[in-house]
Amino acid sequence: QVQLVQSGAEVKKPGASVKVSCKASGFPFTNYGFIWVRQAPGQGLEWMGWISAFNGRTNYAQKFQGRVTMTTDTSSTTAYMELRSLRSDETATYYCARGTWGVGIDYWGPGTLVTVSS
Amino acid sequence: DIQMTQSPSVMSASVGDRVAITCRASQGISDYLAWYQQKPGKVPERLIYAATLQSGVPSRFSGSGSGTEFTLTISSLQPEDFATYYCLQYQSYPWTFGQGTRVEIK
Repeated sequence: QVQLVQSGAEVKKPGASVKVSCKASGFPFTNYGFIWVRQAPGQGLEWMGWISAFNGRTNYAQKFQGRVTMTTDTSSTTAYMELRSLRSDETATYYCARGTWGVGIDYWGPGTLVTVSS
Repeated sequence: DIQMTQSPSVMSASVGDRVAITCRASQGISDYLAWYQQKPGKVPERLIYAATLQSGVPSRFSGSGSGTEFTLTISSLQPEDFATYYCLQYQSYPWTFGQGTRVEIK
């Protein structure tokens, strides 16, 4: 069955970087893309970007351009999202999800809580 | 970017009510629209995509619309349906979510 297992909770200081991993299993990794979505406490869902596991092509939301890098490692079937220059208002749960153009998001990881605090 | 305007933002309803939530896209997205349900502290779950019911989702949920106007309908609200619902357009990048609709007990 499809599984997305994310790395554990992180606490970071403002200005630091965080790298969240998403280990995928149960499906052919390179046939799909991975979406990253974040949700601040009590707020809605925010699409951060997409990466193709086939060729590494990315598409980032404008507000994260220059601060986010999404990568995949086909040998370990893992997707990564690194966000730099964190601000305190970026405390949120960061979700990875399986997503493909024309199909949308069909499976979600459990989320990784990233707390940004001095 | 395509903006998704979801309404209402909060809805009070009773068990057994028929409920409708709307999403409007700022430009046509064909039927590349999905609906998600999220309960507090839980991961979003897909209910509908391209007006198709996700496998395992109760038939009281249905989705309609194409182009710029979309509706999620719950034909008879059940206690487990009190949650927040989001639409997502996946026609073009960046994909965008609606702001969410919280369905509360009346």
